[in-house]
Amino acid sequence: SQTIHQWPATLVQPVGSPLSLECTVEGTSNPNLYWYRQAAGRGLQLLFYSVGIGQISSEVPQNLSASRPQDRQFILSSKKLLLSDSGFYLCAWREQGSNIQYFGAGTRLSVL
Amino acid sequence: DQQVKQNSPSLSVQEGRISILNCDYTNSMFDYFLWYKKYPAEGPTFLISISSIKDKNEDGRFTVFLNKSAKHLSLHIVPSQPGDSAVYFCAASSSLTGTASKLTFGTGTRLQVTL
Repeated sequence: SQTIHQWPATLVQPVGSPLSLECTVEGTSNPNLYWYRQAAGRGLQLLFYSVGIGQISSEVPQNLSASRPQDRQFILSSKKLLLSDSGFYLCAWREQGSNIQYFGAGTRLSVL
Repeated sequence: DQQVKQNSPSLSVQEGRISILNCDYTNSMFDYFLWYKKYPAEGPTFLISISSIKDKNEDGRFTVFLNKSAKHLSLHIVPSQPGDSAVYFCAASSSLTGTASKLTFGTGTRLQVTL
């Protein structure tokens, strides 16, 4: 069966520090991968998605970037974190041909 | 522009009664709709979905109804149980986005099922 791993679960970082969040999927090949952010009291906002290795699409201009170095690995990064980057970050995957996305457990990021 | 709206931020229902969660959308290109359930500090879990070619889909205690003319869908939970207490997100996608299959989420409704 397919599983998605996301780490770390929580992260506290100072303003101006770098960020790297990792997401991996097991049990499937060539999945679509997504990064979302949920700000306090808000819905889920799509940040990036990838339909294949090295292919990244950005949905909103921001301080973050994403990379997909391997088929089942998706990384969310920043060179210098801002206070406004605080939030709950979620990785999701979707099997080709399906409309359903499956989510990881999320990372709570606090930028202080 | 909020294309998917959940106008009730919270809902309280007694155990055993019906819970009805509502969702409205504005983009007529949406043709697939999903409901997710989310506990605090966890990722959303897929519950049930419906294609625009249907007006009802049922899975156990969960039923989703779609009214395309009104651009409205609802999730019915019968009977409601304490374990159903969570935040419920409505999401929509359009086949026009092709292989990306992006989801647009509502802001969620917090359901509390009381004893």
